[in-house]
Amino acid sequence: DGGITQSPKYLFRKEGQNVTLSCEQNLNHDAMYWYRQDPGQGLRLIYYSQIVNDFQKGDIAEGYSVSREKKESFPLTVTSAQKNPTAFYLCASCQKSGQGRGEQFFGPGTRLTVL
Amino acid sequence: AQKITQTQPGMFVQEKEAVTLDCTYDTSDPSYGLFWYKQPSSGEMIFLIYQGSYDQQNATEGRYSLNFQKARKSANLVISASQLGDSAMYFCAMREGLWNFNKFYFGSGTKLNVKP
Repeated sequence: DGGITQSPKYLFRKEGQNVTLSCEQNLNHDAMYWYRQDPGQGLRLIYYSQIVNDFQKGDIAEGYSVSREKKESFPLTVTSAQKNPTAFYLCASCQKSGQGRGEQFFGPGTRLTVL
Repeated sequence: AQKITQTQPGMFVQEKEAVTLDCTYDTSDPSYGLFWYKQPSSGEMIFLIYQGSYDQQNATEGRYSLNFQKARKSANLVISASQLGDSAMYFCAMREGLWNFNKFYFGSGTKLNVKP
């Protein structure tokens, strides 16, 4: 089955620690995205990547970093510089819209809690 | 200015009735796509329906239809014959441009509760 996997589902971190969230897709999509969602809120874009070895900052990139060394993988690191990292993190991917609707496909999410 | 506005934080609907969730958007790009997603309490985002800015007809997908009023810049989601499983958060989203991997803009969402 094609899809997006995120791991872990739940993650606990102590203050001052960096932590990396995994996102893998086997849909052969070129573009991948990371979003943050706070309780009762919408999605805010952290980073996105349109091609391997290239990525762009979204609206709330401070305190986060990403890499895109392989087409299928787009890990997100939450650094100690992120002041309030407790949130639900969603990874998404999409194919070029000329080949369809261009909707984003989402992973199941990772819930990060800072203790 | 907000790209996507959803003015209904919460809605209630009786089972088997229809409900309309409002969405207005703001863009000066003539090419754009509009999307609706459902987010159950589990957190996954489920794609429901898509409307392209050049589409002549309103999109429909099963019990979901999109009331697209281009001049008013609105893209309301209509759910017919509501079911208990429709209780969830619903997000409207927009992508400017039709041919690129552009950013998606999401609204703040509407929480729908279906009453038995």
